[in-house]
Amino acid sequence: KAGVTQTPRYLIKTRGQQVTLSCSPISGHRSVSWYQQTPGQGLQFLFEYFSETQRNKGNFPGRFSGRQFSNSRSEMNVSTLELGDSALYLCASRHGAGNEAFFGQGTRLTVV
Amino acid sequence: DQQVKQNSPSLSVQEGRISILNCDYTNSMFDYFLWYKKYPAEGPTFLISISSIKDKNEDGRFTVFLNKSAKHLSLHIVPSQPGDSAVYFCAASAYGGGETSGSRLTFGEGTQLTVNP
Repeated sequence: KAGVTQTPRYLIKTRGQQVTLSCSPISGHRSVSWYQQTPGQGLQFLFEYFSETQRNKGNFPGRFSGRQFSNSRSEMNVSTLELGDSALYLCASRHGAGNEAFFGQGTRLTVV
Repeated sequence: DQQVKQNSPSLSVQEGRISILNCDYTNSMFDYFLWYKKYPAEGPTFLISISSIKDKNEDGRFTVFLNKSAKHLSLHIVPSQPGDSAVYFCAASAYGGGETSGSRLTFGEGTQLTVNP
Protein backbone atom coordinates (compact mmCIF):
# COMPACT_ATOMS: atom_id res chain seq x y z
CA LYS A 1 0.00 0.00 0.00
CA ALA A 2 1.46 3.36 -1.01
CA GLY A 3 2.09 5.88 1.74
CA VAL A 4 1.22 9.54 1.86
CA THR A 5 2.70 11.32 -1.16
CA GLN A 6 3.57 15.00 -1.15
CA THR A 7 4.70 17.03 -4.12
CA PRO A 8 6.92 18.80 -4.73
CA ARG A 9 9.62 17.78 -2.23
CA TYR A 10 11.47 21.07 -2.47
CA LEU A 11 10.39 24.53 -3.52
CA ILE A 12 12.01 27.96 -3.60
CA LYS A 13 9.77 31.00 -3.91
CA THR A 14 10.20 34.74 -3.69
CA ARG A 15 8.55 36.92 -1.06
CA GLY A 16 5.11 38.01 -2.20
CA GLN A 17 4.50 35.03 -4.47
CA GLN A 18 1.99 32.30 -3.80
CA VAL A 19 2.51 28.55 -3.64
CA THR A 20 0.39 25.41 -3.87
CA LEU A 21 1.42 22.14 -2.27
CA SER A 22 -0.18 18.79 -3.02
CA CYS A 23 -0.89 15.73 -0.90
CA SER A 24 -2.22 12.31 -1.87
CA PRO A 25 -3.36 10.34 1.19
CA ILE A 26 -3.09 6.63 1.77
CA SER A 27 -5.76 4.83 -0.23
CA GLY A 28 -8.97 4.65 1.79
CA HIS A 29 -8.03 7.48 4.15
CA ARG A 30 -10.54 10.32 4.06
CA SER A 31 -9.01 12.63 6.66
CA VAL A 32 -6.10 14.81 5.57
CA SER A 33 -4.30 17.24 7.88
CA TRP A 34 -1.54 19.73 7.25
CA TYR A 35 1.25 20.74 9.64
CA GLN A 36 4.07 23.25 9.51
CA GLN A 37 7.43 22.47 11.06
CA THR A 38 9.90 25.25 11.82
CA PRO A 39 12.93 25.23 14.13
CA GLY A 40 11.40 27.84 16.40
CA GLN A 41 7.78 26.69 16.59
CA GLY A 42 8.05 22.94 16.17
CA LEU A 43 5.18 21.05 14.54
CA GLN A 44 2.09 23.23 14.29
CA PHE A 45 -1.34 22.17 13.08
CA LEU A 46 -2.66 24.11 10.07
CA PHE A 47 -5.99 22.49 9.17
CA GLU A 48 -7.80 19.23 8.61
CA TYR A 49 -10.11 18.16 5.80
CA PHE A 50 -12.59 15.34 5.78
CA SER A 51 -14.94 14.57 2.89
CA GLU A 52 -13.99 17.81 1.13
CA THR A 53 -14.86 19.91 4.20
CA GLN A 54 -12.50 21.74 6.51
CA ARG A 55 -13.40 20.65 10.03
CA ASN A 56 -10.46 21.92 12.08
CA LYS A 57 -8.26 24.95 11.69
CA GLY A 58 -5.13 25.97 13.54
CA ASN A 59 -3.99 29.43 14.47
CA PHE A 60 -2.59 30.59 11.15
CA PRO A 61 -3.43 33.72 9.12
CA GLY A 62 -5.90 33.63 6.26
CA ARG A 63 -3.01 33.52 3.77
CA PHE A 64 -2.93 29.81 4.49
CA SER A 65 -5.77 27.93 2.88
CA GLY A 66 -6.54 24.46 1.65
CA ARG A 67 -9.01 22.24 -0.05
CA GLN A 68 -9.79 18.59 -0.53
CA PHE A 69 -11.06 16.89 -3.63
CA SER A 70 -13.57 14.08 -4.00
CA ASN A 71 -10.74 11.53 -4.27
CA SER A 72 -9.41 12.77 -0.87
CA ARG A 73 -6.36 14.40 -2.40
CA SER A 74 -5.64 17.74 -0.80
CA GLU A 75 -3.87 20.95 -1.65
CA MET A 76 -2.74 23.78 0.53
CA ASN A 77 -2.07 27.27 -0.71
CA VAL A 78 -0.05 30.06 0.82
CA SER A 79 -0.52 33.51 -0.68
CA THR A 80 1.70 36.58 -0.34
CA LEU A 81 4.62 34.55 0.93
CA GLU A 82 6.73 35.91 3.76
CA LEU A 83 10.25 34.92 4.77
CA GLY A 84 8.81 33.35 7.93
CA ASP A 85 6.79 30.91 5.86
CA SER A 86 9.98 28.98 5.12
CA ALA A 87 9.34 25.60 6.68
CA LEU A 88 8.78 21.92 6.17
CA TYR A 89 5.10 21.41 5.34
CA LEU A 90 3.77 18.01 6.28
CA CYS A 91 0.60 16.28 5.25
CA ALA A 92 -0.90 13.43 7.25
CA SER A 93 -3.76 11.09 6.47
CA ARG A 94 -5.89 9.12 8.84
CA HIS A 95 -8.12 6.11 8.43
CA GLY A 96 -11.67 6.64 9.51
CA ALA A 97 -11.71 4.68 12.71
CA GLY A 98 -8.12 5.12 13.79
CA ASN A 99 -6.42 7.93 15.61
CA GLU A 100 -3.01 7.33 14.11
CA ALA A 101 -2.00 9.91 11.52
CA PHE A 102 0.49 8.82 8.87
CA PHE A 103 2.75 11.49 7.47
CA GLY A 104 4.22 12.13 4.06
CA GLN A 105 7.85 13.12 3.58
CA GLY A 106 6.97 16.78 3.44
CA THR A 107 7.60 19.72 1.17
CA ARG A 108 10.53 21.93 2.09
CA LEU A 109 9.53 25.50 1.19
CA THR A 110 12.18 28.20 1.15
CA VAL A 111 11.09 31.81 0.73
CA VAL A 112 13.81 34.20 -0.39
CA ASP B 1 0.67 27.94 25.73
CA GLN B 2 2.66 24.73 25.35
CA GLN B 3 0.11 22.00 26.07
CA VAL B 4 2.51 19.14 25.37
CA LYS B 5 6.05 19.37 26.67
CA GLN B 6 9.12 17.23 26.25
CA ASN B 7 11.55 18.68 28.73
CA SER B 8 14.63 16.82 27.56
CA PRO B 9 15.94 18.12 24.23
CA SER B 10 18.38 15.24 24.01
CA LEU B 11 19.12 11.79 25.42
CA SER B 12 22.15 9.59 24.89
CA VAL B 13 22.19 5.85 25.73
CA GLN B 14 24.36 2.84 25.05
CA GLU B 15 23.31 0.18 22.60
CA GLY B 16 21.39 -2.60 24.33
CA ARG B 17 20.28 -0.43 27.25
CA ILE B 18 16.86 1.07 27.86
CA SER B 19 15.87 4.46 26.43
CA ILE B 20 13.18 6.35 28.33
CA LEU B 21 11.63 9.40 26.71
CA ASN B 22 9.24 11.53 28.71
CA CYS B 23 6.34 13.78 27.87
CA ASP B 24 4.00 15.93 30.00
CA TYR B 25 0.69 17.49 29.03
CA THR B 26 -1.62 20.06 30.55
CA ASN B 27 -4.90 19.69 28.65
CA SER B 28 -7.25 17.30 30.48
CA MET B 29 -9.29 16.89 27.30
CA PHE B 30 -6.53 14.92 25.58
CA ASP B 31 -7.70 11.34 25.22
CA TYR B 32 -5.25 9.79 22.80
CA PHE B 33 -1.47 9.94 22.76
CA LEU B 34 1.03 8.99 20.10
CA TRP B 35 4.77 8.74 19.64
CA TYR B 36 6.50 9.51 16.37
CA LYS B 37 10.09 9.11 15.24
CA LYS B 38 11.55 11.62 12.81
CA TYR B 39 14.69 11.85 10.73
CA PRO B 40 15.82 15.22 9.29
CA ALA B 41 13.98 16.36 6.17
CA GLU B 42 11.50 13.50 6.42
CA GLY B 43 7.99 13.20 7.78
CA PRO B 44 7.36 11.70 11.24
CA THR B 45 6.93 7.93 11.35
CA PHE B 46 4.22 6.59 13.65
CA LEU B 47 5.59 4.30 16.39
CA ILE B 48 2.99 3.54 19.01
CA SER B 49 -0.11 5.03 20.58
CA ILE B 50 -2.23 4.74 23.70
CA SER B 51 -5.78 5.61 24.58
CA SER B 52 -6.56 7.39 27.82
CA ILE B 53 -8.52 4.34 29.02
CA LYS B 54 -5.29 2.34 29.19
CA ASP B 55 -2.10 2.84 31.16
CA LYS B 56 0.25 0.73 29.06
CA ASN B 57 0.64 -0.40 25.47
CA GLU B 58 3.41 -2.57 24.04
CA ASP B 59 4.61 -3.18 20.52
CA GLY B 60 7.81 -5.15 20.23
CA ARG B 61 10.69 -3.15 21.70
CA PHE B 62 8.44 -0.13 22.31
CA THR B 63 6.22 0.38 25.35
CA VAL B 64 4.25 3.50 26.17
CA PHE B 65 3.09 4.21 29.71
CA LEU B 66 0.39 6.72 30.59
CA ASN B 67 -0.13 8.24 34.03
CA LYS B 68 -3.30 10.29 33.72
CA SER B 69 -3.25 11.66 37.25
CA ALA B 70 0.21 13.08 36.66
CA LYS B 71 -0.56 13.98 33.03
CA HIS B 72 2.60 12.19 32.05
CA LEU B 73 3.54 9.63 29.45
CA SER B 74 6.76 7.89 28.62
CA LEU B 75 8.16 5.77 25.81
CA HIS B 76 10.49 2.91 26.68
CA ILE B 77 12.70 1.36 24.04
CA VAL B 78 14.33 -1.94 25.04
CA PRO B 79 16.90 -2.84 23.88
CA SER B 80 18.02 0.37 22.22
CA GLN B 81 19.71 0.05 18.84
CA PRO B 82 21.84 2.56 16.87
CA GLY B 83 19.09 2.70 14.22
CA ASP B 84 16.80 4.16 16.88
CA SER B 85 18.80 7.39 16.80
CA ALA B 86 16.34 10.08 15.70
CA VAL B 87 14.11 12.83 17.08
CA TYR B 88 11.12 11.48 18.99
CA PHE B 89 7.91 13.49 19.26
CA CYS B 90 5.01 12.83 21.52
CA ALA B 91 1.63 14.06 20.33
CA ALA B 92 -1.83 14.31 21.85
CA SER B 93 -5.34 14.44 20.47
CA ALA B 94 -8.58 15.59 22.10
CA TYR B 95 -11.31 14.30 19.84
CA GLY B 96 -11.97 10.72 20.86
CA GLY B 97 -11.25 9.10 17.53
CA GLY B 98 -13.60 7.62 15.02
CA GLU B 99 -14.36 8.67 11.50
CA THR B 100 -16.56 11.61 12.40
CA SER B 101 -14.21 13.05 14.99
CA GLY B 102 -11.63 15.64 14.17
CA SER B 103 -7.96 14.80 14.30
CA ARG B 104 -5.77 17.62 15.48
CA LEU B 105 -2.47 16.55 16.94
CA THR B 106 -0.62 18.77 19.40
CA PHE B 107 3.08 17.96 19.39
CA GLY B 108 5.83 18.32 21.94
CA GLU B 109 9.13 19.91 20.98
CA GLY B 110 10.88 16.60 20.42
CA THR B 111 13.78 14.73 22.04
CA GLN B 112 16.90 13.84 20.08
CA LEU B 113 17.80 10.25 20.98
CA THR B 114 21.34 9.07 20.25
CA VAL B 115 22.14 5.40 20.71
CA ASN B 116 25.87 4.79 20.85
CA PRO B 117 27.31 1.47 19.61
